[in-house]
Amino acid sequence: SYELTQPPSVSVSPGQTARISCSGDAFPKQYAHWYQQKPGQAPVLVIYKDSERPSGIPERFSGSSSGSGTTVTLTISGVQAEDEADYYCQSTDSRGTYPYVFGTGTKVTVL
Amino acid sequence: EVQLVETGGGLIQPGGSLRLSCAASGFTVTRDYMSWVRQAPGKGLQWVSVIYSAGSTYYADSVKGRFTISRDISKNTIYLQMNSLRAEDTAVYYCARESPGGLKGVLDIWGQGTLVTVSS
Repeated sequence: SYELTQPPSVSVSPGQTARISCSGDAFPKQYAHWYQQKPGQAPVLVIYKDSERPSGIPERFSGSSSGSGTTVTLTISGVQAEDEADYYCQSTDSRGTYPYVFGTGTKVTVL
Repeated sequence: EVQLVETGGGLIQPGGSLRLSCAASGFTVTRDYMSWVRQAPGKGLQWVSVIYSAGSTYYADSVKGRFTISRDISKNTIYLQMNSLRAEDTAVYYCARESPGGLKGVLDIWGQGTLVTVSS
């Protein structure tokens, strides 16, 4: 099977920057997508194709790839209380054997 | 409005069967890739199954041979038939659409989820 690894938790003060990493052997060959999930709610797409932002998602959400490395990053700039949630990266393996693989998830806590 | 609504969850005994439904509105399920994703209590997201627009289907290893995904064109609905259910299948089950237009792998529309509890 294919795995995407994220840190279990990230804590940040309001107005500061939160960075969430996602490591996978198929990066950068495959794109990464990011979802936000608040308690009791369905996931919401916040970043797709490494760094593209869907309409309606605030500009403080951005994504990046390390270029040649195996890590991608979701960055939340100027964190707000409403950004407290679980965040999941998602991608596929290099051969497409596993079409949808989710990361282990990161809980973002706004202090 | 583009929307997905899941129904069919509930309490079922181990070894039992259950069929989940996901009704779509605002788009046609046969034109897009449709998936089921589940989330066990307090755990992360796990992809379960996909049905592609051409009708081919794929499953996670953990459900292969027990779950079947299908669709009804007339009702614009996808289904997940779950047989031989186990305690570890307990989860909220979401249906989700892969974004059309070449955004491969991007799940842009999600339903609200339906809870399946497997317990005696």
